Amino acid sequence: GDSVTQMEGPVTLSEEAFLTINCTYTATGYPSLFWYVQYPGEGLQLLLKATKADDKGSNKGFEATYRKETTSFHLEKGSVQVSDSAVYFCALPSYNTDKLIFGTGTRLQVFP
Amino acid sequence: NAGVTQTPKFQVLKTGQSMTLQCAQDMNHEYMSWYRQDPGMGLRLIHYSVGAGITDQGEVPNGYNVSRSTTEDFPLRLLSAAPSQTSVYFCASSYSAVGVESYEQYFGPGTRLTVT
Repeated sequence: GDSVTQMEGPVTLSEEAFLTINCTYTATGYPSLFWYVQYPGEGLQLLLKATKADDKGSNKGFEATYRKETTSFHLEKGSVQVSDSAVYFCALPSYNTDKLIFGTGTRLQVFP
Repeated sequence: NAGVTQTPKFQVLKTGQSMTLQCAQDMNHEYMSWYRQDPGMGLRLIHYSVGAGITDQGEVPNGYNVSRSTTEDFPLRLLSAAPSQTSVYFCASSYSAVGVESYEQYFGPGTRLTVT
């Protein structure tokens, strides 16, 4: 069935470091892909999305490119800040239920 | 707009007790859903609703009931709490019940439930 696999966390970085959080997926067809972020003590919120292959989603300095050849949607940011410390979830809609499937989440900790 | 609100923020129950987690949204969203979040398991869908009067089961519905009498409210009822229901519960809504818009969900702040 459809699924999402994220890299294990936590990811620990110093401020201004480069960030990559890996996400790969298994899906029927070419679904839209999403990254959600959960800040401490809050619910999830949509960070960015890509609706078709080769699309690049971007928001708040974060980017992710929909790569169908490698079935990946890795999240990147060139220079992280302490305020980016959060849990990041990759997600896609299931083909047969049309409901969002979330990865297990990757915790990012950024230190000054 | 308050967005999606949930009450209570924290709750402790004894095994066998029942309770209702409240969820409300003021965005006139069609679609509402309940998830539970457990360590190492991401979010799992419990129940969802595509409009007032319509509900359906998600991935892990056992032990939970829902109803949707209005567009705004979508309460989740635990019938007889069990320790396995210890989790963080999130309510979410989206403008549309279908298509790309249905995947752009707005989440509440969550309810942390402990069952002893």
